[in-house]
Amino acid sequence: GENVEQHPSTLSVQEGDSAVIKCTYSDSASNYFPWYKQELGKRPQLIIDIRSNVGEKKDQRIAVTLNKTAKHFSLHITETQPEDSAVYFCAACSQGGSEKLVFGKGTKLTVNP
Amino acid sequence: DTAVSQTPKYLVTQMGNDKSIKCEQNLGHDTMYWYKQDSKKFLKIMFSYNNKELIINETVPNRFSPKSPDKAHLNLHINSLELGDSAVYFCASSQGRANSPLHFGNGTRLTVT
Repeated sequence: GENVEQHPSTLSVQEGDSAVIKCTYSDSASNYFPWYKQELGKRPQLIIDIRSNVGEKKDQRIAVTLNKTAKHFSLHITETQPEDSAVYFCAACSQGGSEKLVFGKGTKLTVNP
Repeated sequence: DTAVSQTPKYLVTQMGNDKSIKCEQNLGHDTMYWYKQDSKKFLKIMFSYNNKELIINETVPNRFSPKSPDKAHLNLHINSLELGDSAVYFCASSQGRANSPLHFGNGTRLTVT
């Protein structure tokens, strides 16, 4: 089945700096890669997603890149702000058997003012 | 209006008891899920239903029994609760299958003592 590895597990940056979180996946047939943000005590919320027919997608300060050959995808946050502090999860939609979303173990991002 | 609502928000109970968590979505989505988030924040799928039909059952103990009376509702009943069941349980829904955005409920924090 699909296996998603996410790094780093914790990331601390200064306000205004960029943050990059990387994920690798194992199933070459996976075709959907969302990113979720979970603030402390709250539910995960989708912030951006990318499909396998696209290499990069941007939404204001957030971008995601996908390298299908290497089976990895990354989240880039520019001009970080304290409110970006949260746990970020990557995920990949496996195709084998029944379709399901497999999550990485999360990255706790802290943006220091 | 809350799109995916689950009750209760908190559940504290003793080992061996039986408890239920309810979930309802008003988004008109076809697929609903139960995810478990453990103390290390790892999000793991438990069950998935599409139009009331069970499509994913992820090696969850038989003590956990989901029920979907209609496509807007997915409940989770847990028998003979164990200490290791303590976690946050998230209900979620999506329009299509796993390759579409998930909308999570606010979670139910289950504590087994």
